[in-house]
Amino acid sequence: QKEVEQNSGPLSVPEGAIASLNCTYSDRGSQSFFWYRQYSGKSPELIMFIYSNGDKEDGRFTAQLNKASQYVSLLIRDSQPSDSATYLCASRSYNTDKLIFGTGTRLQVFP
Amino acid sequence: DVKVTQSSRYLVKRTGEKVFLECVQDMDHENMFWYRQDPGLGLRLIYFSYDVKMKEKGDIPEGYSVSREKKERFSLILESASTNQTSMYLCASSPQPGLASHNEQFFGPGTRLTVL
Repeated sequence: QKEVEQNSGPLSVPEGAIASLNCTYSDRGSQSFFWYRQYSGKSPELIMFIYSNGDKEDGRFTAQLNKASQYVSLLIRDSQPSDSATYLCASRSYNTDKLIFGTGTRLQVFP
Repeated sequence: DVKVTQSSRYLVKRTGEKVFLECVQDMDHENMFWYRQDPGLGLRLIYFSYDVKMKEKGDIPEGYSVSREKKERFSLILESASTNQTSMYLCASSPQPGLASHNEQFFGPGTRLTVL
């Protein structure tokens, strides 16, 4: 069964630090990878996606993809208390329009 | 901006009732999805539609049906609600993959359904 695995956390980081969120996937046919942020009681909100090996930066966020290791990560620089949320990782395989979601990592940024 | 709306934020129904959850998207997306989200279980796909009148079962279709008569609207139906269907229901839409798209999904605000 195709899976996306994430550590449930919580991951606690001080304000201003770099938060590193990690995700592994089992399907080697996965082509695109997505990071969503979900605040408590709210719906997931897309932060960014990545499909090429390497890094992709968007503001304070950097997504990293290593297809050989089947590993995706999200770095949040200068973490703020407003970044406290659950972060969901998702993958898409080449032959489907469906996403497979991990169960999410809860991030806590303390002042 | 993509906008996905759902008919209700909160809904309380009784066991055995027929329940309709409506979802509308305004970005002309081909794909629409219904998920439920429960603590510790993450997002689970109930049904998926890739075109009008087309549907595909997800991971947990039992007890649910769907309808897509128009491209912008995707309905989830609980034929006879049961207490184990108490959950957060999330609708999402996505474009077909292309030059500028990788099937990223956009979510509605969710409907928190309680079945008594």
